[in-house]
Amino acid sequence: AQSVAQPEDQVNVAEGNPLTVKCTYSVSGNPYLFWYVQYPNRGLQFLLKYITGDNLVKGSYGFEAEFNKSQTSFHLKKPSALVSDSALYFCAVRESDYKLSFGAGTTVTVRA
Amino acid sequence: DVKVTQSSRYLVKRTGEKVFLECVQDMDHENMFWYRQDPGLGLRLIYFSYDVKMKEKGDIPEGYSVSREKKERFSLILESASTNQTSMYLCASRINLRVLGTDTQYFGPGTRLTVL
Repeated sequence: AQSVAQPEDQVNVAEGNPLTVKCTYSVSGNPYLFWYVQYPNRGLQFLLKYITGDNLVKGSYGFEAEFNKSQTSFHLKKPSALVSDSALYFCAVRESDYKLSFGAGTTVTVRA
Repeated sequence: DVKVTQSSRYLVKRTGEKVFLECVQDMDHENMFWYRQDPGLGLRLIYFSYDVKMKEKGDIPEGYSVSREKKERFSLILESASTNQTSMYLCASRINLRVLGTDTQYFGPGTRLTVL
């Protein structure tokens, strides 16, 4: 079974509206969780991570994510989406010292 | 800023050819990784190297080999390319895991390989 799941292949929102990209995980213990973004024809860029501490993590480009242990979730959020946020988003969980497991990705489209 | 570069953005090869994908990082990172990215499958780890001349298989090593002769360079080799190896290949690097919070991997721009 996959360690991390992104239940939505696509998310479509209007510019200025809140954006949420969902992620759930299934590793045991305390998870290390990550969000990466991939713009068209580019490599992955690190957005944010949760290691320990505050459940609300703030990252690059105005994104934040909330770690919820009881729901085993780590949803990515942005209060007001921009057209330039249109990209492919990946959630990842650390499975071992050398392995990150990635979700299948969620394509976000923000319409003007 | 960390910079990870890959030798080609696009590559077209024929079935049976030997293919070399090169990755170079400029931050003295000990760990380096090769992934392939396919639609609907996310990223899958092919091989990783935790230091020079050290390598470990990832989840899908079949049909691939790697070489790490220098710290900054990690090469992925397709000994005999096949059409099912058509994919986007991403290289990443990371500082060795000594301090909590250094898990972040930094990615190159990717090489889109087409095998005909």
